[in-house]
Amino acid sequence: GAVVSQHPSRVICKSGTSVKIECRSLDFQATTMFWYRQFPKQSLMLMATSNEGSKATYEQGVEKDKFLINHASLTLSTLTVTSAHPEDSSFYICSAQGDRSGYTFGSGTRLTVV
Amino acid sequence: GDSVTQMEGPVTLSEEAFLTINCTYTATGYPSLFWYVQYPGEGLQLLLKATKADDKGSNKGFEATYRKETTSFHLEKGSVQVSDSAVYFCALTSSGNTPLVFGKGTRLSVIA
Repeated sequence: GAVVSQHPSRVICKSGTSVKIECRSLDFQATTMFWYRQFPKQSLMLMATSNEGSKATYEQGVEKDKFLINHASLTLSTLTVTSAHPEDSSFYICSAQGDRSGYTFGSGTRLTVV
Repeated sequence: GDSVTQMEGPVTLSEEAFLTINCTYTATGYPSLFWYVQYPGEGLQLLLKATKADDKGSNKGFEATYRKETTSFHLEKGSVQVSDSAVYFCALTSSGNTPLVFGKGTRLSVIA
């Protein structure tokens, strides 16, 4: 079945630095990528939607200059958290959708900003 | 807009007990409905889905029936196991290219 590889699974960074999270679709072409954020014991909140080769569409309240999303190819999308602060600490999950596949989720990235 | 409401947890059951997690939705048109499961520290895995009214999704002993008249998609399992302990999310999408809308999740703990 469809597989999405998300890396890193865990990352700790210092406040003010940037962190890049990658999601790769291993056996299908991901025409659309959804990025979610999940706070402890809460549901998934959609951050943005990106289509290959286009600029991402951000949800209301999500800072596009802070959360940079790149979807340059059909198999790779990245989320970069710039100038990270402790309040950005969260669990980030990507979800890829292809032409003939449903919604396939990555395994998530636990970001801790210290 | 579209929304999903599911029963709040946590739910604690003994092994072999019957499980029901309620889920109701609000959506325009005819959404597709999903149940996802999240084990600790992991991403989401699709558990089952239904794409039209009266469809029953089933997997690993779990079942849910798409009830248009009650706008519900309740998750059931006849006999839970300790390994079923996880967080369960009900979700919907109104069209194939829109993101999933999730409920808040229900944490299930099964004790031996």
